[in-house]
Amino acid sequence: DAMVIQNPRYQVTQFGKPVTLSCSQTLNHNVMYWYQQKSSQAPKLLFHYYDKDFNNEADTPDNFQSRRPNTSFCFLDIRSPGLGDAAMYLCATSDLRGRGDGYTFGSGTRLTVV
Amino acid sequence: EDQVTQSPEALRLQEGESSSLNCSYTVSGLRGLFWYRQDPGKGPEFLFTLYSAGEEKEKERLKATLTKKESFLHITAPKPEDSATYLCAVQAPTLTGGGNKLTFGTGTQLKVEL
Repeated sequence: DAMVIQNPRYQVTQFGKPVTLSCSQTLNHNVMYWYQQKSSQAPKLLFHYYDKDFNNEADTPDNFQSRRPNTSFCFLDIRSPGLGDAAMYLCATSDLRGRGDGYTFGSGTRLTVV
Repeated sequence: EDQVTQSPEALRLQEGESSSLNCSYTVSGLRGLFWYRQDPGKGPEFLFTLYSAGEEKEKERLKATLTKKESFLHITAPKPEDSATYLCAVQAPTLTGGGNKLTFGTGTQLKVEL
């Protein structure tokens, strides 16, 4: 089945040590999103790619960067993780039809910072 | 700024005890209100999309309704397998880059007991 796959499912990193999270899709969707979800909080949009165009949310810290080398892959880079960056990171794609079932979410990567 | 508020934060029901979850929203240029189900450690799973006031959608024991300011998710005769966090999200245009984005509420954590 076509889907959105995030790797790894669980990531433990040291305080200040750069870490990269991966997302791949087989849906050929134009748009890819990265959301941060802390415990008992709403998923919060960090940034999205519309094709190759990168769009940052105004309040996303500079510590977070992203790369989309091709349609299928998107990476989230955290340059210097702090304890406050521990969260579930969700990748999603959209087919631009504007329907709820047009968004597909990955299972997430749970990041722990020690 | 788009805002989504869900209540209650947590809800405990006995099997068969019907209830409703609330989602109130303020958004510029609503392009749909979505309900998702999220199980622990997983990404959101799509349930419903509502586009205009007065619209209703049903799926098994769930029914979603929409007014100009809020949406309700009614759960009729719930079963333990309905236990999950239910997220509400509004879709609106992105400020940059074209396309749409989802703004989520913090969710209602539902627990259905035997």
